[in-house]
Amino acid sequence: EMNLVESGGGLVQPGGSLRLSCVASGFTFRAYWMHWIRLVPGKGLVWVARINTDASTTSHADSVEGRFTISRDNLKNILYLQMSDLRDEDTATYFCTRDVTYGSGSFLDLWGQGSLVTVSS
Amino acid sequence: EIVMTQSPATLSVSVGERATLSCRASQSISYNLAWYQQKSGQGPRLLIYGAHTRATGIPDRFSGSGSGTEFFLTVSSLQSDDFAVYFCQQYHHWPPITFGQGTRLEIK
Repeated sequence: EMNLVESGGGLVQPGGSLRLSCVASGFTFRAYWMHWIRLVPGKGLVWVARINTDASTTSHADSVEGRFTISRDNLKNILYLQMSDLRDEDTATYFCTRDVTYGSGSFLDLWGQGSLVTVSS
Repeated sequence: EIVMTQSPATLSVSVGERATLSCRASQSISYNLAWYQQKSGQGPRLLIYGAHTRATGIPDRFSGSGSGTEFFLTVSSLQSDDFAVYFCQQYHHWPPITFGQGTRLEIK
């Protein structure tokens, strides 16, 4: 069974750092682009970052550029999101997702259960 | 950035009835639209891509329609398991992929 399991969320003070991990199983992880998406209370789903198969290309949303970094370890089948200088507005549930490139863009065919990050003093 | 607008915010429907959810794009996205279902405490599940193609394992009571800027998700003969939040997502202009704010489908 294909599965994505996130971990690493929690309560952190503004300005703090956190690293999310996502363990993939049941499919060939190294063959897929991957994304982080967050569910923001009252705002819905928001794209955060994307990484290609060999980690040579990454993209980040403007709102997190310079503060968050997506990365991966294809030997361990793990996707990461390093978050620093966290702000109140980063409070969300973060999902690890698998990319399906289709035409000019991507949709997401496999999601983890999410990891809650709360930024508060 | 393409803005996706879903309506209504909440839809109350009885079990066995039909529900139609709407999603509008701020500019044409051709057929590059996906629909997701999310239940509390779970990650979203892909239902539809390419505006009308059901994902693997999705029952045929779920159907997608539309193109350009207007899209619809129809759930015929609602079952208790279908009550959840539904999101649309465009993937025509990238980056970023963008989502609607969601429609909550609740039991009437």
